[in-house]
Amino acid sequence: SQQGEEDPQALSIQEGENATMNCSYKTSINNLQWYRQNSGRGLVHLILIRSNEREKHSGRLRVTLDTSKKSSSLLITASRAADTASYFCATAPFYGNKLVFGAGTILRVKS
Amino acid sequence: EAGVVQSPRYKIIEKKQPVAFWCNPISGHNTLYWYRQNLGQGPELLIRYENEEAVDDSQLPKDRFSAERLKGVDSTLKIQPAELGDSAVYLCASSLDRRVPYEQYFGPGTRLTVT
Repeated sequence: SQQGEEDPQALSIQEGENATMNCSYKTSINNLQWYRQNSGRGLVHLILIRSNEREKHSGRLRVTLDTSKKSSSLLITASRAADTASYFCATAPFYGNKLVFGAGTILRVKS
Repeated sequence: EAGVVQSPRYKIIEKKQPVAFWCNPISGHNTLYWYRQNLGQGPELLIRYENEEAVDDSQLPKDRFSAERLKGVDSTLKIQPAELGDSAVYLCASSLDRRVPYEQYFGPGTRLTVT
């Protein structure tokens, strides 16, 4: 079963625009992670935010976490065609070494 | 540093045939994971190893799936016999920290098609 639910399921934007993806989850977490998957390839870790953090930045990525609403968002600024991929959120519980992935958001950046 | 290596990258078999996937994790990573990813979905954990011990195999269909991790390094996932519903991408991942899940490093996956 998948805990995270991403929204939207698919997103199409022009190069240079910002892309925002959302993730909602159900149970308490230790941390939340975002991964990117290019077509036909494995997942690549993008960023991790702990439950006691509210916002984190990494290059053009900005992640927020609202534990009261059990939701997170991933913002990609100044998007590029190379950002075209599927993006997944994954939640980590306090106990047990297990990530639970959502169904992902498909991002298409048009040049 | 070499990443997670998986082979084969693609496999097409007929139903009822056996199939095996191989994974070599990043050197020094004690934790190894096998995931299955169906089309349009996120990965779902099949089994997790801490060194050579399978510590979470609750999602592994044990009637037809088996896995092993010899000497706590390489791992093999086997399906016998394969069914049409097993068509998916099988991903292997490894990580360094075993207490709480931190970032995992994924291989490119094996795309299995069962006809």
